[in-house]
Amino acid sequence: NAGVTQTPKFRVLKTGQSMTLLCAQDMNHEYMYWYRQDPGMGLRLIHYSVGEGTTAKGEVPDGYNVSRLKKQNFLLGLESAAPSQTSVYFCASSYQGEFEQYFGPGTRLTVT
Amino acid sequence: GESVGLHLPTLSVQEGDNSIINCAYSNSASDYFIWYKQESGKGPQFIIDIRSNMDKRQGQRVTVLLNKTVKHLSLQIAATQPGDSAVYFCAASSGGYQKVTFGTGTKLQVIP
Repeated sequence: NAGVTQTPKFRVLKTGQSMTLLCAQDMNHEYMYWYRQDPGMGLRLIHYSVGEGTTAKGEVPDGYNVSRLKKQNFLLGLESAAPSQTSVYFCASSYQGEFEQYFGPGTRLTVT
Repeated sequence: GESVGLHLPTLSVQEGDNSIINCAYSNSASDYFIWYKQESGKGPQFIIDIRSNMDKRQGQRVTVLLNKTVKHLSLQIAATQPGDSAVYFCAASSGGYQKVTFGTGTKLQVIP
């Protein structure tokens, strides 16, 4: 089992560019989550999904969109990147809506 | 809003000794508390959680203690090993997995 994988590992964007972060899990988990982690701050939930075809907003959803077309994949999109979106992004999954979540290795995104 | 914080940014412990990492939270309505471990360059890893109706919960080499009176919880690691070196952070929930406030972390350094 690969667990939770994230693509890409690193990315540098210019302000205004768009990109999609891909998260994949092979544990047949229903729930998936996107978080961001910034220096001096704890993890913050961006969006989450309770199953294939569903998405919901978390604590800091502005500037991001998500899609869950397949159960194993959860995509995070930035339509017009801003420097404030410079962060490390983590995807996670869980069997149900629970605190025991399995995290991916993260994507370090820099927006210049 | 809720705040969750750890008492020390860094903790150094001799290999074989017990480690105690402390965390304080502000919201008395928090009903679930979670501890995570994050190794350098990796995603967070769930360690243990505890409901607010419990004072203590034990896992493999770890014990979490909860004191709701002073809004404090601690993570105790028995016989600390070099593999325990990581950042540990606590989190508190006041409404399920969608409403979790994460702390910033204590870096545990194990001295061989």
